[in-house]
Amino acid sequence: GDSVTQMEGPVTLSEEAFLTINCTYTATGYPSLFWYVQYPGEGLQLLLKATKADDKGSNKGFEATYRKETTSFHLEKGSVQVSDSAVYFCARAGGTSYGKLTFGQGTILTVHP
Amino acid sequence: NAGVTQTPKFQVLKTGQSMTLQCAQDMNHEYMSWYRQDPGMGLRLIHYSVGAGITDQGEVPNGYNVSRSTTEDFPLRLLSAAPSQTSVYFCASLGQTMRNQPQHFGDGTRLSIL
Repeated sequence: GDSVTQMEGPVTLSEEAFLTINCTYTATGYPSLFWYVQYPGEGLQLLLKATKADDKGSNKGFEATYRKETTSFHLEKGSVQVSDSAVYFCARAGGTSYGKLTFGQGTILTVHP
Repeated sequence: NAGVTQTPKFQVLKTGQSMTLQCAQDMNHEYMSWYRQDPGMGLRLIHYSVGAGITDQGEVPNGYNVSRSTTEDFPLRLLSAAPSQTSVYFCASLGQTMRNQPQHFGDGTRLSIL
């Protein structure tokens, strides 16, 4: 079935460090891919999305490229800030039921000054 | 435009009690769903609905009931709460014409079962 695998966390970085959070997905169908972010005590917010191969989603300095050949959608940011501390979820949608989202397990990011 | 509204935000129950988590959306979205969030497991789909009068099971449906009598509302019922149902519950919605768009999420209900 559909699945999404994220890198194990938590991830701890210093401010201005480079961030990569790995995400891979099962290649069934033609899924849309998303990164959601959850700040402490809040709900999920869409961070970025890509709907087809080679699309690059970007928002707030974060980027992720839909790589069909490696079934990956890694999240990157060149210089993280303390305010980026949150939980990040990779998710896929699509296949036979357009509304079903399959999430990765989430990666906790902590950024220190 | 309120989006997706969940109530209550917090709830503590005793084992065996019943309760209903409310979810309402004002975007006329056909698709609504419930997820639970547990540490290290991401979000898992409990139940979903593709329109009024139509519901189906997701990945972890046991212990939960749903109904969809209107487009706007999609309540989640716990008939006999168990400690394993302690979790954060999120409701989400999506329009049928928005197949490649992200779902809209509510702010969540934090539920503790003692």
